Amino acid sequence: DTGVSQDPRHKITKRGQNVTFRCDPISEHNRLYWYRQTLGQGPEFLTYFQNEAQLEKSRLLSDRFSAERPKGSFSTLEIQRTEQGDSAMYLCASSSQGQPQHFGDGTRLSIL
Amino acid sequence: GQQLNQSPQSMFIQEGEDVSMNCTSSSIFNTWLWYKQEPGEGPVLLIALYKAGELTSNGRLTAQFGITRKDSFLNISASIPSDVGIYFCAGQDAGGTSYGKLTFGQGTILTVHP
Repeated sequence: DTGVSQDPRHKITKRGQNVTFRCDPISEHNRLYWYRQTLGQGPEFLTYFQNEAQLEKSRLLSDRFSAERPKGSFSTLEIQRTEQGDSAMYLCASSSQGQPQHFGDGTRLSIL
Repeated sequence: GQQLNQSPQSMFIQEGEDVSMNCTSSSIFNTWLWYKQEPGEGPVLLIALYKAGELTSNGRLTAQFGITRKDSFLNISASIPSDVGIYFCAGQDAGGTSYGKLTFGQGTILTVHP
């Protein structure tokens, strides 16, 4: 039973660069969520996909952020022109309808 | 963003002691969940609660969905060193246009001394 997989686990980049993260959900799950977690806080919701449709976006998701789930399977989260405040753990979770969300181990982003 | 009020923020206990933590919200939730997170890893689901008043156990863990739907608590009995970690409560509202996103508490850091 494979869980939610995220890649890379760590990303270090210079301010102003673009970064892209990938999430592979549990195979039979049609719901996929992205969250952001900063040190000492709980995760905060960013965006939600049901199959390939992006149905909800948080106000935290600025114009520099974009997410896709083109075939309803894996998803990518891109951050353009990274800023210091983007440093965080980016978590992906997946679920089926009526079932609890299961999380991946996240991508830790550090902006130099 | 909105977060739930989780307490205590941290706990230092001796192995074998029982632990209790709780979570309150100004909003009603349809589902309450408890997760545990260890350093460098994602949150791992411990218990999910679906009905107001529900009391659910998972081994040494017991959690309850408050009758008002605005709170939940988690108890850990006879703690052991591997219980160390950060425990998060999360509320889920499946109604309206929320699409099931989770709202998390700030976490309770648990340290267990052998």
